[in-house]
Amino acid sequence: DTGVSQNPRHKITKRGQNVTFRCDPISEHNRLYWYRQTLGQGPEFLTYFQNEAQLEKSRLLSDRFSAERPKGSFSTLEIQRTEQGDSAMYLCASSLRAGVRTGELFFGEGSRLTVL
Amino acid sequence: KNEVEQSPQNLTAQEGEFITINCSYSVGISALHWLQQHPGGGIVSLFMLSSGKKKHGRLIATINIQEKHSSLHITASHPRDSAVYICAVVGGGSNYKLTFGKGTLLTVNP
Repeated sequence: DTGVSQNPRHKITKRGQNVTFRCDPISEHNRLYWYRQTLGQGPEFLTYFQNEAQLEKSRLLSDRFSAERPKGSFSTLEIQRTEQGDSAMYLCASSLRAGVRTGELFFGEGSRLTVL
Repeated sequence: KNEVEQSPQNLTAQEGEFITINCSYSVGISALHWLQQHPGGGIVSLFMLSSGKKKHGRLIATINIQEKHSSLHITASHPRDSAVYICAVVGGGSNYKLTFGKGTLLTVNP
């Protein structure tokens, strides 16, 4: 399977714990995006990378959130000291450089976080 | 008011019916996407539009830039079309950020 892969698919954690999600994009895609989706809502933009550079972060991404894309390949999204409000689906997508203007945007299956 | 509004929020149809989902937006855009999300989370891109109309199989998407409105049509609907359909826009000054609507939950009954 050469699509976008996200792990883990589901994570249940206790409030205050740290969690990390991984996204493996399609190999030749240089842009990688993270989105958050809560129940009954559309996804919201969190951040995006062009190669290894993080070029934009939403104000939704508090100091407890950090994303990296070392070597411009896979990316990780870490949430420290989780809160119940962090419970959501975290979606990753990848594209070639002009993806959102060409339609070539590919999403992973998402990582669902439940904070107890 | 959200920048992207979809209607209806929920839609139930009988197999074979013609379906229309609407999307209105309030900002200048360079492109509009229609996406399909099945239970479990995975999102699939259906169309990207910047003008006019596109067709793929039983799906048709149209956009009217002047009226800031787009529609997604499904002809001869089938139970496998049951999913959430999401409209997302690319702001005129952006080449990376999508702003999403809340989605329309479509249920097609046999």
